[in-house]
Amino acid sequence: AQSVTQLDSQVPVFEEAPVELRCNYSSSVSVYLFWYVQYPNQGLQLLLKYLSGSTLVKGINGFEAEFNKSQTSFHLRKPSVHISDTAEYFCAVKLKTSGSRLTFGEGTQLTVNP
Amino acid sequence: GAVVSQHPSWVICKSGTSVKIECRSLDFQATTMFWYRQFPKQSLMLMATSNEGSKATYEQGVEKDKFLINHASLTLSTLTVTSAHPEDSSFYICSASELVTDTQYFGPGTRLTVL
Repeated sequence: AQSVTQLDSQVPVFEEAPVELRCNYSSSVSVYLFWYVQYPNQGLQLLLKYLSGSTLVKGINGFEAEFNKSQTSFHLRKPSVHISDTAEYFCAVKLKTSGSRLTFGEGTQLTVNP
Repeated sequence: GAVVSQHPSWVICKSGTSVKIECRSLDFQATTMFWYRQFPKQSLMLMATSNEGSKATYEQGVEKDKFLINHASLTLSTLTVTSAHPEDSSFYICSASELVTDTQYFGPGTRLTVL
């Protein structure tokens, strides 16, 4: 079975500062990796995903993530955050089998302060 | 593209009544849809996996007779909470798996409040 650990439950930062949200996973087989963002009282929006190829993945809203197989990590980064980036961020993995379930981390609340 | 809708976005009902929540993939076909429940300040809890034309697969601890799931077409899955009680109050989110990219896209969620 696979598992996901998001190392920080809360990350407070100031506006225009860089941010990194950490995600580590465990799996005995290869997986696909995802980051989703959830704004209050809304569903999840896909930020980016790693399926194969380049280990540096660029997503929406200026976010990017790097897949590191040796460290089994998929950390999310943004060089300069905005107030509007305040939200809950979820890292997730799934098996490379069509239609298989996502396994989520516990989430990281990013709060951007002025 | 890849838009998933849910209806209703919120519902308030009396204890003992049943509530149906619809999940639609608007611009793609989804052979597999998923239903999640989310408690405040927590991650998503998978309730069941719904495959078009077959019975849903429920996670351990989820009562299949209480949470009825129907996936009658490639774009629609429904979750019916039967004989709802206050403890069923929660945020319910569906997702649909897009076949080509095998990526799950999520609906906006339904806030259920049982009085």
